[in-house]
Amino acid sequence: AQTVTQSQPEMSVQEAETVTLSCTYDTSESDYYLFWYKQPPSRQMILVIRQEAYKQQNATENRFSVNFQKAAKSFSLKISDSQLGDAAMYFCAYSQGAQKLVFGQGTRLTINP
Amino acid sequence: DTAVSQTPKYLVTQMGNDKSIKCEQNLGHDTMYWYKQDSKKFLKIMFSYNNKELIINETVPNRFSPKSPDKAHLNLHINSLELGDSAVYFCASSLTWGDNSPLHFGNGTRLTVT
Repeated sequence: AQTVTQSQPEMSVQEAETVTLSCTYDTSESDYYLFWYKQPPSRQMILVIRQEAYKQQNATENRFSVNFQKAAKSFSLKISDSQLGDAAMYFCAYSQGAQKLVFGQGTRLTINP
Repeated sequence: DTAVSQTPKYLVTQMGNDKSIKCEQNLGHDTMYWYKQDSKKFLKIMFSYNNKELIINETVPNRFSPKSPDKAHLNLHINSLELGDSAVYFCASSLTWGDNSPLHFGNGTRLTVT
C-alpha cells in the first residue's frame, strides 16, 4: 500500500523568508500524482500545488514551488517570501489510478512576524 | 456560490444517537467523497461515489451509511454513535473518476460524541 510521510510535525519561519516542507512517499507505480494541500485554522482544505509524476519539470504556483525527486520518492514544498496568511497545516498527498488520496500526517507551519 | 457545502458545521450528540451530515456540490463533478480527520489531524478516505455509484468503501463500520440521491449530493448517516466517531468529516468532489483531478473540499463538520 502506498504511504506518505511528513517527517516534520512543526516548522516555523520568519515572515518574508523561505521555508521548505519535506514529504516522502512509497509506491511501486510509475505514473501517479502528488499534491500539497493547506489547512488554515478555518479548517478548509485548499489545494496549493499539484505534480504529475511523468512530468520532470517541477510545478510552480506563484510563491509555492516543489522539488520533485522521483527516484528518491521525495516531494518537498518551498514557500518563498512567507506571509502571515501562509500559517496553516500543510498536507502532502498521493493519488494513483483509483483516485484515493493518501495523506501524510501534516506539518504545522508557523509564520513569525 | 460555495462549491462544496456541507451541513451542519458542528454537531454535538450523545452516544447511541443517529445523525446525518449532508453534502452538496455545484461544480458539476461526477465523483464525491467522504474523508475523516481524526484528533491528530490524520485524514483518511471513507467512501467514494461516482455518478451515484459506490466506488470505494474503506473498511468503515457498517454503522456508517453513505447515500447519494444524485451526483451533486452525498450524505453520510451514522447509527449508534460511539465516542471514537468524534472527528472532523470532510466531503469532497472531483471532476470524474480516475482522472486524478484535484479534490475540492467542503469546510468540514466537527462531530463531537459525548
